[in-house]
Amino acid sequence: AQSVTQPDIHITVSEGASLELRCNYSYGATPYLFWYVQSPGQGLQLLLKYFSGDTLVQGIKGFEAEFKRSQSSFNLRKPSVHWSDAAEYFCAVGAQATSYDKVIFGPGTSLSVIP
Amino acid sequence: NAGVTQTPKFQVLKTGQSMTLQCAQDMNHNSMYWYRQDPGMGLRLIYYSASEGTTDKGEVPNGYNVSRLNKREFSLRLESAAPSQTSVYFCATQQNPTSGANVLTFGAGSRLTVL
Repeated sequence: AQSVTQPDIHITVSEGASLELRCNYSYGATPYLFWYVQSPGQGLQLLLKYFSGDTLVQGIKGFEAEFKRSQSSFNLRKPSVHWSDAAEYFCAVGAQATSYDKVIFGPGTSLSVIP
Repeated sequence: NAGVTQTPKFQVLKTGQSMTLQCAQDMNHNSMYWYRQDPGMGLRLIYYSASEGTTDKGEVPNGYNVSRLNKREFSLRLESAAPSQTSVYFCATQQNPTSGANVLTFGAGSRLTVL
């Protein structure tokens, strides 16, 4: 069964600083990987996804993530954080496209941004 | 285009009461999911429905039942609510995985408090 860990429960960064949120996964086959963001009181919105091909994927709001198979990681990065990026971030792993298997989420990382 | 609609948005129950959370989607997606979100636990899958007429247990199904009424609607029922079921519940839908678009679309959430 797949699983996801996000080692950092909470991160605080200054506005304009760079950001990296860590994600490690466990899955027996080629995974589909996702990052979702949840603003306070809102549902989850997809930031980016990795299915295959280029291991560096670009998403919305200036975010990118890199898939490293050897490290079973899919870390999220942003070069310059904005105050509006303060939110909860979830990494998730899903099965291959031919399966209706479930999507499993990590515990989330809460991001605070200092003006 | 409403996307994924959950009702009610807020509900307070007493221990032992029953209730049903409703989810409806207008995106013609095949798969539907119910998650619960608790602090520090991320999103945990309660039940999912790969397609109309089928339902399967997720990670935390105890105390819940589901009905996939038709392609559009997927309801979650608490027969005898317990304080441990106090949570925020999210419904999500997914396109046909064979299209390669294994992405979840979320509703805005339903906040349930059990006293």
